[in-house]
Amino acid sequence: EAGVTQSPTHLIKTRGQQATLRCSPISGHTSVYWYQQALGLGLQFLLWYDEGEERNRGNFPPRFSGRQFPNYSSELNVNALELEDSALYLCASSSSGERETQYFGPGTRLLVL
Amino acid sequence: GENVEQHPSTLSVQEGDSAVIKCTYSDSASNYFPWYKQELGKGPQLIIDIRSNVGEKKDQRIAVTLNKTAKHFSLHITETQPEDSAVYFCAASRGGSEKLVFGKGTKLTVNP
Repeated sequence: EAGVTQSPTHLIKTRGQQATLRCSPISGHTSVYWYQQALGLGLQFLLWYDEGEERNRGNFPPRFSGRQFPNYSSELNVNALELEDSALYLCASSSSGERETQYFGPGTRLLVL
Repeated sequence: GENVEQHPSTLSVQEGDSAVIKCTYSDSASNYFPWYKQELGKGPQLIIDIRSNVGEKKDQRIAVTLNKTAKHFSLHITETQPEDSAVYFCAASRGGSEKLVFGKGTKLTVNP
């Protein structure tokens, strides 16, 4: 069974640009979570999508947004990039029957110059 | 909101020894406690989890204990091997569809 996949693996942008990160959940999973792992800050919850709707968001500004598509894949958009947005962005998925059990993808490493 | 504290931040053991990592949480409504292992350049991998209706769970060399009264839970790895070297994260949630709140991680080094 394929795990959670994310693309691209690495992304380099400059300040002020926009970044788009993509995630495909495990087959059959309907929930997608996004986390930011910045150096020294651990994993911080960003967004949760389920059945195409945004269900919850963490303490991040509105320039962090996303969506979930009908096939349950998801996209994270970061607008007006700042240097401190440089981090590993992790996507996780879970099934409707066991939502608390989250499985992570390998992440997208975003570098903002 | 929930806060999870994890100790120690680094841990070095000799191959074959045991390793223990401890976490405390603040939200008494938390009822799901997973542990993840993250190797360099990879995403976190779920290695074991425990729910609040259970005090201990074992899976081969790995065990997790939960003390709901004291609001702390621990990861125990026995007979450590060099491939156990990684960063370990504890987390807590209210279960269901709630977000995971993570500890800051423990870098475990197993010396051959």
